[in-house]
Amino acid sequence: KAGVTQTPRYLIKTRGQQVTLSCSPISGHRSVSWYQQTPGQGLQFLFEYFSETQRNKGNFPGRFSGRQFSNSRSEMNVSTLELGDSALYLCASSPGLAGGGVGQETQYFGPGTRLLVL
Amino acid sequence: TQLLEQSPQFLSIQEGENLTVYCNSSSVFSSLQWYRQEPGEGPVLLVTVVTGGEVKKLKRLTFQFGDARKDSSLHITAAQPGDTGLYLCAGAPLDSNYQLIWGAGTKLIIKP
Repeated sequence: KAGVTQTPRYLIKTRGQQVTLSCSPISGHRSVSWYQQTPGQGLQFLFEYFSETQRNKGNFPGRFSGRQFSNSRSEMNVSTLELGDSALYLCASSPGLAGGGVGQETQYFGPGTRLLVL
Repeated sequence: TQLLEQSPQFLSIQEGENLTVYCNSSSVFSSLQWYRQEPGEGPVLLVTVVTGGEVKKLKRLTFQFGDARKDSSLHITAAQPGDTGLYLCAGAPLDSNYQLIWGAGTKLIIKP
């Protein structure tokens, strides 16, 4: 099986712009989670989607949004970019078995999209 | 706010030495996971511990979940350069199975 893919891998934007990142999960996986990773901060949870529905959301401003399509592919959007949004954005997929969750299933991470905001 | 504190944040040792990384919290977790992340890649799951007091071994890596399920440790015996990476712990809170709480990570460098 192909792993989780994320596009683009690198992105440079300027303050005020918006950006859309894409994630294709492992075939058959229905749950997709997004994380922001910055040095010294670990992974900060953004949101998790299952069957096109946002099931959980982290403590990020409304500038961060996401969606999931019927084929489980997911996108996240950041509007009005700020310098502090520079980070590695990781996507992870898991089977999303009924009643399960990320605490019970193995998450498979993509390589991430490195975003630099100037 | 639930937190997972990892220590040390950074560790650089010689090949062949032993080391232990700690992951501590004041909160109870239903399970705890350890990941390793290498540059340019996403984290890869090493192990999940579920039962208080549980010990799991993965070759030279030994993982332990505290009896109260609030803390965990990762011990590496005879470290090798291939063990170099960022080690992350992540706990599943009791009240939410859809979000993991992550530690900030331990950057480990094993020098040949």
